Formats: sequence, C-alpha cells, structure tokens
Amino acid sequence: QAGLTQPPSVSKGLRQTATLTCTGNSNNVGNRGATWLQQYQGHPPKLLSYRNNNRPSGISERFSASRSGNTASLTITGLQPEDEADYYCSAWDSSLSAWVFGGGTKLTVL
Amino acid sequence: EVQLVESGGGLVKPGGSLRLSCAASGFNFSRYMMNWVRQAPGKGLEWVSCISSSSSYIYYAASLKGRFTISRDNAKNSLYLQMNSLRADDTAVYYCARDDFGSGIDYWGQGTLVSVSS
Repeated sequence: QAGLTQPPSVSKGLRQTATLTCTGNSNNVGNRGATWLQQYQGHPPKLLSYRNNNRPSGISERFSASRSGNTASLTITGLQPEDEADYYCSAWDSSLSAWVFGGGTKLTVL
Repeated sequence: EVQLVESGGGLVKPGGSLRLSCAASGFNFSRYMMNWVRQAPGKGLEWVSCISSSSSYIYYAASLKGRFTISRDNAKNSLYLQMNSLRADDTAVYYCARDDFGSGIDYWGQGTLVSVSS
C-alpha cells in the first residue's frame, strides 16, 4: 500500500537544527496530520509527536512538529549526539483505513 | 506504567502458522484500539492490523491478503495475531502497539521476532 515519503538520510552538525520532512497526500498527512517516531537500533520506536503536533509527556522541547498541506515536518534544534537515530512519520489513511508509514530518515549528527 | 509484552515468536517453516500474543498492563486496555506493526531486518516500519476497543472494527494491511487475523480478549488484557500461510517475507520483529484514539501509536512493546525459513 502507498506509504509516506521521507528522505533516507540527513546529516547536520552538533548544536545545529535539522528539519525532517514527510510527504503524503490528502487522504493521510493532508487530512489530519502525521505523527513522528524515533527509533534507535535494536529498540522499539518512541512517539515524539501526535497528529495534532503536540508532544507526549517527557519529550524534549527541542523536538517540534508542524504541517503544511500534505507535508509534515519535524524540527530538531540544538542537535545532540543522542539525537542520532532513525525517524519515522506515520499517518492514518482514510481511503485505505490503515496506518501508513514513511520509509524513515537516518539522522547523523556530525 | 504502560507495558506491552509480546510473545509467541520463533522459527517457522514456509506455509506454517504462528500465534502472537501481547499482554497489556498499566492502562485500561478495554478502552483502546490496538495495533500490530512489523519491521523486517534492516527495514522500516510496516503497519499490519488494528482492532477497535470492542473488536467492532478491524482493519488489515492490503498486502496480507487474508492470511493474518487480529483478535483481543479484554478480560485478559491481551491482544493476539494469528498468522497463517507464512512466507519468507513475513520475517520481521512484530510489535504490539497502543493507539491513542487515532492521535498516534503512542506505546510500543519490545517486539517478538518471527523468522520464516526452511
């Protein structure tokens, strides 16, 4: 089934700002937004932001989500070594009645 | 504390079957929609199925073509995934995950590995 589109990799320097993108369509991201997940190798994903762009309790303010049309974005400010991970977006697709995921972006902090 | 613990994974031959279980605790299980999401080795996340709180609504990924069945037992705080006609490309870590009323999949278990090989 159709997935969301994310760049495979992004590299940024320590303490810089990274913006990750996620593109879908009007049935998913454009409908009610996307969520963002962080995953370290060998660990389960962790939710960073809900579809309404709110952060779950305990998630750093350095992570902020937004949406413009069919594209969702995750901005990470003040990059730290521990931010190096895989980041996935997901959205409920109303035409498929399914959650769809992006292919993931590997963030490297230089 | 929300906890989701999967079990039932293992090595199975192509064409075989396996039943995964997920034991939930730390929240009112009967109020939440639940999901199964899988991740093949070195690959991204792939949604498998979800089931509403009372089992009234059940959805599957189209790619499964009727081979998997999701179910739940609210009295036992448990979620299940019956997998039949398994293929090599079903090899993955299978995660049990809670759905926060459509706002997002907010809690994930540690996963259970399913390996399909002869």
